[in-house]
Amino acid sequence: KNEVEQSPQNLTAQEGEFITINCSYSVGISALHWLQQHPGGGIVSLFMLSSGKKKHGRLIATINIQEKHSSLHITASHPRDSAVYICAVHNNNDMRFGAGTRLTVKP
Amino acid sequence: DVKVTQSSRYLVKRTGEKVFLECVQDMDHENMFWYRQDPGLGLRLIYFSYDVKMKEKGDIPEGYSVSREKKERFSLILESASTNQTSMYLCASSLLSGTGGYGYTFGSGTRLTVV
Repeated sequence: KNEVEQSPQNLTAQEGEFITINCSYSVGISALHWLQQHPGGGIVSLFMLSSGKKKHGRLIATINIQEKHSSLHITASHPRDSAVYICAVHNNNDMRFGAGTRLTVKP
Repeated sequence: DVKVTQSSRYLVKRTGEKVFLECVQDMDHENMFWYRQDPGLGLRLIYFSYDVKMKEKGDIPEGYSVSREKKERFSLILESASTNQTSMYLCASSLLSGTGGYGYTFGSGTRLTVV
């Protein structure tokens, strides 16, 4: 069993829909990252959080340390949000990654 | 703008060739990492380095070696490329451990095909 599990693996939405991607982990962590990877490969860090909730534009990330669970929400989704979203957990110098969620937003 | 730069976006190599993947960061980060990314498996750590001339094996080091002669440069070497090393390779860097992964920055990736 992977230490970091994401769901769903693939997600297709219509433009404007509210989107939720989930991440569960089984190890102790010091921080959790949400990453975005566009076609072509480059990875961008969206959030790093260790408690509570963070918001940046239409993106919201939450984490529940007790339940070892995090969610990434996208409000008013847009085709440019189409990408792979990766959850990663960090402990000291060790980073563990989920397999990613491929999001496609259709116009 | 801070950057992690990988020398090639796409590479095609023949089986048995020695392959060098280069990564350079301009953030004065201590830690540098090489990952490979395969469908359904996510990113897996090959090697990392926390200082010049230091290296540590990750989860899947077999068939790979690394070199870090200067702080800003971390090279991944495939001694004898094989078709099962066809993958996307990503380099990353970060500040010292214990910082919760602050400043974790990825390169754009190198898509390597071994034929």
